[in-house]
Amino acid sequence: EAGVAQSPRYKIIEKRQSVAFWCNPISGHATLYWYQQILGQGPKLLIQFQNNGVVDDSQLPKDRFSAERLKGVDSTLKIQPAKLEDSAVYLCASSRRGAGETQYFGPGTRLLVL
Amino acid sequence: DAKTTQPPSMDCAEGRAANLPCNHSTISGNEYVYWYRQIHSQGPQYIIHGLKNNETNEMASLIITEDRKSSTLILPHATLRDTAVYYCIVRLNTNAGKSTFGDGTTLTVKP
Repeated sequence: EAGVAQSPRYKIIEKRQSVAFWCNPISGHATLYWYQQILGQGPKLLIQFQNNGVVDDSQLPKDRFSAERLKGVDSTLKIQPAKLEDSAVYLCASSRRGAGETQYFGPGTRLLVL
Repeated sequence: DAKTTQPPSMDCAEGRAANLPCNHSTISGNEYVYWYRQIHSQGPQYIIHGLKNNETNEMASLIITEDRKSSTLILPHATLRDTAVYYCIVRLNTNAGKSTFGDGTTLTVKP
C-alpha cells in the first residue's frame, strides 16, 4: 500500500510570494489533514477534511492560507502572500474513516520564506 | 482534548529498554492515549494506542496507570534507529477527536 505522497519536498520563496503544496492521501482514506510544524515544535493542525468537506479549520489563518480537496481525494494547501513566520514543514496526513482512526503522515514539505 | 506533559529529552543505551513517561492528569473517561514518533526529516509515525488496558505490539508496549492519569511507552530493546521525538497525545476516538501534539520527548539512543 502506497503511503501519503507530498510535493514538493522543499520550497524556497521570498516573502509576499505565493506557494502551493500538494498531497495525495492513501487510497480510500476519507479524512485528510494539513499540519504546520515549526522547527522544534510539534505539528499543529491547520485543517481537516472529511471527503471533500471541511471538518475543522479553526487554526487556519484564513487571510492568507487556503486549502481545497476536490473530489475527496487530492488536496492542495496555498499560502498567499507568504510571511517569514510561515517558514515550517507542512505535513499532510490521512486516516481511513475519521479523526478517530490512526493517522498516516507524509514526508512533509519544508518551506523557507526569505 | 486533554493536555499532556512529557520530559523534553531522554537518553537510553542501545539494547536497553527505553521508558518514556507521559502525564495526562486531565484525561476524560473516553479519551484514548496515542503515541507517535518522528524520526528526523520524516513525518510522524503511529506507534501504539490504548484506553485502559496495557497494550503491546511489534514496536512497543504501552502501560497506562489504573487512574489513567499517566502512561509509559516502553521500547524493550532500543536501537540507534529509535532515536526520534516521541509524542504522547490523548484524544477521543471519534470524529470529534483532535490530535493536539505537544513538543514531545527527544529520545537519543547511544551506542
